[in-house]
Amino acid sequence: AAGVIQSPRHLIKEKRETATLKCYPIPRHDTVYWYQQGPGQDPQFLISFYEKMQSDKGSIPDRFSAQQFSDYHSELNMSSLELGDSALYFCASSLVFSGANVLTFGAGSRLTVL
Amino acid sequence: GNSVTQMEGPVTLSEEAFLTINCTYTATGYPSLFWYVQYPGEGLQLLLKATKADDKGSNKGFEATYRKETTSFHLEKGSVQVSDSAVYFCALSVTSGSRLTFGEGTQLTVNP
Repeated sequence: AAGVIQSPRHLIKEKRETATLKCYPIPRHDTVYWYQQGPGQDPQFLISFYEKMQSDKGSIPDRFSAQQFSDYHSELNMSSLELGDSALYFCASSLVFSGANVLTFGAGSRLTVL
Repeated sequence: GNSVTQMEGPVTLSEEAFLTINCTYTATGYPSLFWYVQYPGEGLQLLLKATKADDKGSNKGFEATYRKETTSFHLEKGSVQVSDSAVYFCALSVTSGSRLTFGEGTQLTVNP
């Protein structure tokens, strides 16, 4: 079965640079979520999109932005990177009217800021 | 707000031991409850879920029962294996399409 695809899997950037992460949800899933997981931490919700519209916003810094495109893939843009942005970034997708809100997660993109 | 609390600290067991990881929650309404597992270097995988009170979720020998009266969803397994070593996250979702709120995670190490 198709899964959630994230790219790149690993990314190394310098402070103050910009990074873009991509997420391809499971086909026919209508909601995409972004999470940030620091070392030894639980995943923190950043933002979500339902049918290409922002549906919820969590602890996403103003330096970050995200959008979902017409083909349902999503991108997380991070600017003016700081050392503290080093983390695993997960994308997840779900189908809203499928019953229990089961999120399927991608393998994650590991961002290292030097 | 909504929150999930898991038992503190890592858990270390010998193979074939009984496992319990405690999870309690605070939420408005009637949330759905989940256990996710994260193996080293990997993403989060759904282990089991329960959507209403007294539901029991089960998968791969793991079980958890949705207890509304104690707002708990404790994870249990009768006989753990070395391959169960991972981080386990309890989580809740209040409505379909809403965010998952995670607990702090519990590192499980099973020794041969």
